[in-house]
Amino acid sequence: SQTIHQWPATLVQPVGSPLSLECTVEGTSNPNLYWYRQAAGRGLQLLFYSVGIGQISSEVPQNLSASRPQDRQFILSSKKLLLSDSGFYLCAWGRRAGDTQYFGPGTRLTVL
Amino acid sequence: AQKVTQAQTEISVVEKEDVTLDCVYETRDTTYYLFWYKQPPSGELVFLIRRNSFDEQNEISGRYSWNFQKSTSSFNFTITASQVVDSAVYFCALSGLGSQGNLIFGKGTKLSVKP
Repeated sequence: SQTIHQWPATLVQPVGSPLSLECTVEGTSNPNLYWYRQAAGRGLQLLFYSVGIGQISSEVPQNLSASRPQDRQFILSSKKLLLSDSGFYLCAWGRRAGDTQYFGPGTRLTVL
Repeated sequence: AQKVTQAQTEISVVEKEDVTLDCVYETRDTTYYLFWYKQPPSGELVFLIRRNSFDEQNEISGRYSWNFQKSTSSFNFTITASQVVDSAVYFCALSGLGSQGNLIFGKGTKLSVKP
């Protein structure tokens, strides 16, 4: 069966510090991978998606970047965090467009 | 443009009551997919159901049922005999075949079931 991992689970970072969040998927190959952010107020916003190694599409211009160095690894990064980067970050995987997306446990980021 | 509207921000019911969560969507695609997810206090999004645009059959799974009506662009979710464990935020989402199937979420409905 497939599982998706995210770490860390929680993170408190000062403004201006770098960020690296990691997501890995087990039990499947060549998945589509997604990063979503859920800010206060509950709405979920797609940040990045990837259909293969090294292929990243950005949905919203912002202070963040993503990379996919391996087939089942997806990393979300920032060089300098802003207060507005605080939120709950969720990674998801799906087999192809239109298929169900399965979500990881999330990382709760607080920028102070 | 695709859009999902969940007009009910918060609902509070007493245990054993039935409750319906509304979802209205907008899309120009002829092929699309609709989803419901549950987000308990722990935060993880739990998949509940996926329907494609060509299948309007209603579905029942235990105490959960879904009513898909293309004529009104709605995909409503009913919980029968609600329980305290049903307390969560519920999200309706829409996906097409473009943009690699990215999910467009509604803002969610927070359901509180009181004993």
